[in-house]
Amino acid sequence: GAVVSQHPSWVICKSGTSVKIECRSLDFQATTMFWYRQFPKQSLMLMATSNEGSKATYEQGVEKDKFLINHASLTLSTLTVTSAHPEDSSFYICSALDRAAQETQYFGPGTRLLVL
Amino acid sequence: KQEVTQIPAALSVPEGENLVLNCSFTDSAIYNLQWFRQDPGKGLTSLLLIQSSQREQTSGRLNASLDKSSGRSTLYIAASQPGDSATYLCAARNSGNTPLVFGKGTRLSVIA
Repeated sequence: GAVVSQHPSWVICKSGTSVKIECRSLDFQATTMFWYRQFPKQSLMLMATSNEGSKATYEQGVEKDKFLINHASLTLSTLTVTSAHPEDSSFYICSALDRAAQETQYFGPGTRLLVL
Repeated sequence: KQEVTQIPAALSVPEGENLVLNCSFTDSAIYNLQWFRQDPGKGLTSLLLIQSSQREQTSGRLNASLDKSSGRSTLYIAASQPGDSATYLCAARNSGNTPLVFGKGTRLSVIA
């Protein structure tokens, strides 16, 4: 199947700093990408839908000014956690939609964020 | 809004047993349904994807069924092994443009 990469795979940062996570579709173009968050022993919760060339659509309860999403190309979406706090510590997983493959969602390996 | 429920939340079985994991969804007008495996601290591994027009999919010892009318899917694991121990997630999509909605998962332990 198609490959989606995420970088970095893990990051530790101090409270108040900003962290950028990259999500790339390596062998297909993804006009739509999704960002999920997973807290320990919880399921994946959708944060936002990212469409290339337009503003992201955020789920209820997700602060768009805190979680900045940019989808500037057909293979790259970025999630920036601004002014991170310990409660933002989580596992962030991106997913890219491959419309050429029956619109299958492919998932990245995830980024573990720890805010001290 | 689609909601996905998985029962049981946790399951412990002896090695060699056949087992069934259950998934239910509230909106039967789904586009497809997917089963994933997640090991502790790791990402998702896709196991089986069932399109709306399909009734089941098989891969090795795994078989997933889909009954849209009742809003249910099951994942059958034959001859379970300790290596099958993981959390199994069920997720459903309502259209090609909408994202997968996940259940909370079933945490499986297969005891040697």
